[in-house]
Amino acid sequence: DTEVTQTPKHLVMGMTNKKSLKCEQHMGHRAMYWYKQKAKKPPELMFVYSYEKLSINESVPSRFSPECPNSSLLNLHLHALQPEDSALYLCASSQAGGYTFGSGTRLTVV
Amino acid sequence: GQQVMQIPQYQHVQEGEDFTTYCNSSTTLSNIQWYKQRPGGHPVFLIQLVKSGEVKKQKRLTFQFGEAKKNSSLHITATQTTDVGTYFCARPRLNAGNNRKLIWGLGTSLAVNP
Repeated sequence: DTEVTQTPKHLVMGMTNKKSLKCEQHMGHRAMYWYKQKAKKPPELMFVYSYEKLSINESVPSRFSPECPNSSLLNLHLHALQPEDSALYLCASSQAGGYTFGSGTRLTVV
Repeated sequence: GQQVMQIPQYQHVQEGEDFTTYCNSSTTLSNIQWYKQRPGGHPVFLIQLVKSGEVKKQKRLTFQFGEAKKNSSLHITATQTTDVGTYFCARPRLNAGNNRKLIWGLGTSLAVNP
């Protein structure tokens, strides 16, 4: 299995909602990432998990809360988001080389 | 700093023409990665270059890493409509270890007229 699976593919949420994005990989990669991407921009790193421990938090607001339940799963919990948080949220994994990205969750905050 | 400059920002070609995008750094790179993102899609890893002067080919795509390891290029021969998308280069951040943090170029968007 050489894929990263993300659910849901699309999400519309209100500013008072709580939702979670999910990511799964079975390639045995020990690093997993959350990225945010706005239209016509490169991906912007949010969090890095290395061996199931949070190793990098790029000063992301606390309304985004990551979780790594095990080596295959990565979640991103969302609460009280703002309209400017609308974007494509990408999960990725890697070992020593290139990243394998999931197809992303297109999030709209209304 | 550690930024990578990618040029051009946009390129519009006729199908069958060649295309090249360049990635430049002011500091020496330990490696450089290239990704392709189709419109509405997600980034897909193409290649990682590590050695000075390295040249790698993938069908019509040729990747080069400069002798000084400060620049890289991606060349597509005889473009096809399937080549449409944005091509990103990315370098590891210094002291991040094991490519755990990448610094991305702004990308080159390629449009191909059939």
